[in-house]
Amino acid sequence: DGGITQSPKYLFRKEGQNVTLSCEQNLNHDAMYWYRQDPGQGLRLIYYSQIVNDFQKGDIAEGYSVSREKKESFPLTVTSAQKNPTAFYLCASSMGGKGPYNEQFFGPGTRLTVL
Amino acid sequence: LAKTTQPISMDSYEGQEVNITCSHNNIATNDYITWYQQFPSQGPRFIIQGYKTKVTNEVASLFIPADRKSSTLSLPRVSLSDTAVYYCLVGSLLGAGSYQLTFGKGTKLSVIP
Repeated sequence: DGGITQSPKYLFRKEGQNVTLSCEQNLNHDAMYWYRQDPGQGLRLIYYSQIVNDFQKGDIAEGYSVSREKKESFPLTVTSAQKNPTAFYLCASSMGGKGPYNEQFFGPGTRLTVL
Repeated sequence: LAKTTQPISMDSYEGQEVNITCSHNNIATNDYITWYQQFPSQGPRFIIQGYKTKVTNEVASLFIPADRKSSTLSLPRVSLSDTAVYYCLVGSLLGAGSYQLTFGKGTKLSVIP
């Protein structure tokens, strides 16, 4: 089955610890994205990557870091510098070529709770 | 840069047509409008995309007036399974290959039997 997987579904961390969220896709998509979703809010773009070894900041990149060493993988690290890390994190991917106009395919999300 | 505004919630009876409007007053010439559906604790799913006038697929229609400052997602004959949150997204191509993706805060549609 082709798709996007995010693991784990639920994640708990102590304040002050860095944590890395996993995102893997086997759709052969060039572009990948990370969003944050808070209750009653829309999705806010953290980082996106249009191609391997390249990524760009979205609207709320502060306190987060990413890497894109492989086409299939786009892990997100939530650092201790992120002031309010508790949220639902969504990863997505899309075909390349149309930039922001491509249909995005989303993973099931990871709910991070920082205690 | 585009900012999107949607109603927070809507109720509808089964079998009715539902229209959800998104306002994007400062949409740019090259921006596209996309709508997504999201069920609780899941990732959003693509519904439809358009640039202007009307687009229709097997599940929905999208109406965009000539000034493109708003868009309306139309769901024909909704069923209980259409109860979800619906998001509009404006995709903007900025300079040097960078872009912006602006989601609205979502409209929670509740379908009543």
